[in-house]
Amino acid sequence: GAVVSQHPSWVICKSGTSVKIECRSLDFQATTMFWYRQFPKQSLMLMATSNEGSKATYEQGVEKDKFLINHASLTLSTLTVTSAHPEDSSFYICSAIPLGRGTEAFFGQGTRLTVV
Amino acid sequence: RKEVEQDPGPFNVPEGATVAFNCTYSNSASQSFFWYRQDCRKEPKLLMSVYSSGNEDGRFTAQLNRASQYISLLIRDSKLSDSATYLCVVNTKGSGYALNFGKGTSLLVTP
Repeated sequence: GAVVSQHPSWVICKSGTSVKIECRSLDFQATTMFWYRQFPKQSLMLMATSNEGSKATYEQGVEKDKFLINHASLTLSTLTVTSAHPEDSSFYICSAIPLGRGTEAFFGQGTRLTVV
Repeated sequence: RKEVEQDPGPFNVPEGATVAFNCTYSNSASQSFFWYRQDCRKEPKLLMSVYSSGNEDGRFTAQLNRASQYISLLIRDSKLSDSATYLCVVNTKGSGYALNFGKGTSLLVTP
């Protein structure tokens, strides 16, 4: 299989602060990683596609200045929630598809963010 | 209209029962189809891909009808450990392998 490690698994922060979430592929490389968000009893919704060495592609309605994505290497993408507010509280999860190994996506363990 | 729609659930079934989940997708350009399983507060895990010819993996059978844009998952001889949320997932051409998720159908298998 392929392992994606996401850190932290949960975080509580105060309104107005920023939170960085890391997504690492441990045993494969990926030029593209995906960031999803899941609110309670809702489906996972794609937020953005993270491209190694270039700008991320954001889905409609997702503020790129609020959700900063950096994909500096083939094994690491980060999502920073800037100036977090309680409505940003959600389950954030990343996924990646190993280069040259088909189309199965592997997911990180997810990060549960609570903004108080 | 949501791109991927599933039975709302929840499904409560006794151990040993057979249960079927349905899913429809709206984008006819969709290329790849999957069923994922998600346990509470955990990441989704791939259960099986879905092929046009239909495919089976042990107690699980998946079917795809491209003409109707319909996908199904059949679970036979349900086990307690099958209790989870089952997500219908579609990949659409041009999306760069980003996955579109259905809302999920909750299954509870009881003793």
